[in-house]
Amino acid sequence: GNSVTQMEGPVTLSEEAFLTINCTYTATGYPSLFWYVQYPGEGLQLLLKATKADDKGSNKGFEATYRKETTSFHLEKGSVQVSDSAVYFCALSEFGNEKLTFGTGTRLTIIP
Amino acid sequence: EAGVTQFPSHSVIEKGQTVTLRCDPISGHDNLYWYRRVMGKEIKFLLHFVKESKQDESGMPNNRFLAERTGGTYSTLKVQPAELEDSGVYFCASSRVKYTDTQYFGPGTRLTVL
Repeated sequence: GNSVTQMEGPVTLSEEAFLTINCTYTATGYPSLFWYVQYPGEGLQLLLKATKADDKGSNKGFEATYRKETTSFHLEKGSVQVSDSAVYFCALSEFGNEKLTFGTGTRLTIIP
Repeated sequence: EAGVTQFPSHSVIEKGQTVTLRCDPISGHDNLYWYRRVMGKEIKFLLHFVKESKQDESGMPNNRFLAERTGGTYSTLKVQPAELEDSGVYFCASSRVKYTDTQYFGPGTRLTVL
């Protein structure tokens, strides 16, 4: 079956630090990959996605590249802000089966 | 455009009681999904409606869980009788088009079973 393995948290960084949250996946087919973010008191929001190998998803300064050879989709941001504090979830879905398979989530806290 | 809404935001019940969660999807979204996150673990799929029909209910944990979507609009998820292991956050999501469309999530309902 499909699975997503995500970097354990919590992660605490200082403002303007470089961020990497690792995500690797196992899938039987050729999945689409997603990063969702949950800010305090809110629902999950799609942060970015990539649908094929070597695609780079980007949004709000965050980037992730679909690496088929390493089955990875690591999330990066060059300079984090306090407002980036949230829980980040890596997820996948396969064509023809819309259900999302999530990782365990990584809680990120940015301190001024 | 209003987002996905869920009610209640929190529910605390005792073991053996019944609880009904409600989800209102974005207007015009035919696809509706239920997920839950238990004890800080991964978010797991429960089921998927297309309009009023259950497309995939492979994630429903057991027959104590009953989901309905009468008329293809809002959906309810009933847990009867609730057990301790049912505690967690229940998320609802909706999308307009299958396969490629983004799923929009609600804020979730936090269920605590004592």
